[in-house]
Amino acid sequence: GAVVSQHPSWVICKSGTSVKIECRSLDFQATTMFWYRQFPKQSLMLMATSNEGSKATYEQGVEKDKFLINHASLTLSTLTVTSAHPEDSSFYICSAKKGSSYNSPLHFGNGTRLTVT
Amino acid sequence: AQTVTQSQPEMSVQEAETVTLSCTYDTSENNYYLFWYKQPPSRQMILVIRQEAYKQQNATENRFSVNFQKAAKSFSLKISDSQLGDTAMYFCAFMKGEAAGNKLTFGGGTRVLVKP
Repeated sequence: GAVVSQHPSWVICKSGTSVKIECRSLDFQATTMFWYRQFPKQSLMLMATSNEGSKATYEQGVEKDKFLINHASLTLSTLTVTSAHPEDSSFYICSAKKGSSYNSPLHFGNGTRLTVT
Repeated sequence: AQTVTQSQPEMSVQEAETVTLSCTYDTSENNYYLFWYKQPPSRQMILVIRQEAYKQQNATENRFSVNFQKAAKSFSLKISDSQLGDTAMYFCAFMKGEAAGNKLTFGGGTRVLVKP
């Protein structure tokens, strides 16, 4: 199977601090990963596309300076929420694309619940 | 831009019965993919079924099947012989084909409760 691991599963941080979330593809290489945000009882909203070795592509309305994405290897992408505020509290989910074809399947991580106090 | 609409916020079904979830989408694309994902209380997103728009035959995966009506831009999911483990949020999702970068657009979700 294809396993994507997110760490941590949940994190609580104080307002003004930064927090890093990791997304790892454990048994395959992923040149492309995606970061989503899910508010309670709502759908997933794509935040950005993370490309190995290049800059991330952010969706409209997502602050790139606030949500820093680094995809330094073929198995790891990180999302850093900088200067976090209570409104950043949410569930963050990553997905990784297995394969290079345009219709390669996506595999999701188990998500990270961020609470900013 | 693509939009995906799920008009049923919640559905309940008795165990062993059948439930159908609706999904409509809006796009000007001709080549695209449609998906149904399941998100149980664990929050893990699980792919239930996938349909390529160029295929006329409706996709089927065991107890899960879809009714894909391309002209009507409709993509409903039927869960047959519902089981307690089917209780979850179900999201319909759209992805443009070819060089679109695998970006998924999700519908708002339908909460399914399977009752014993």
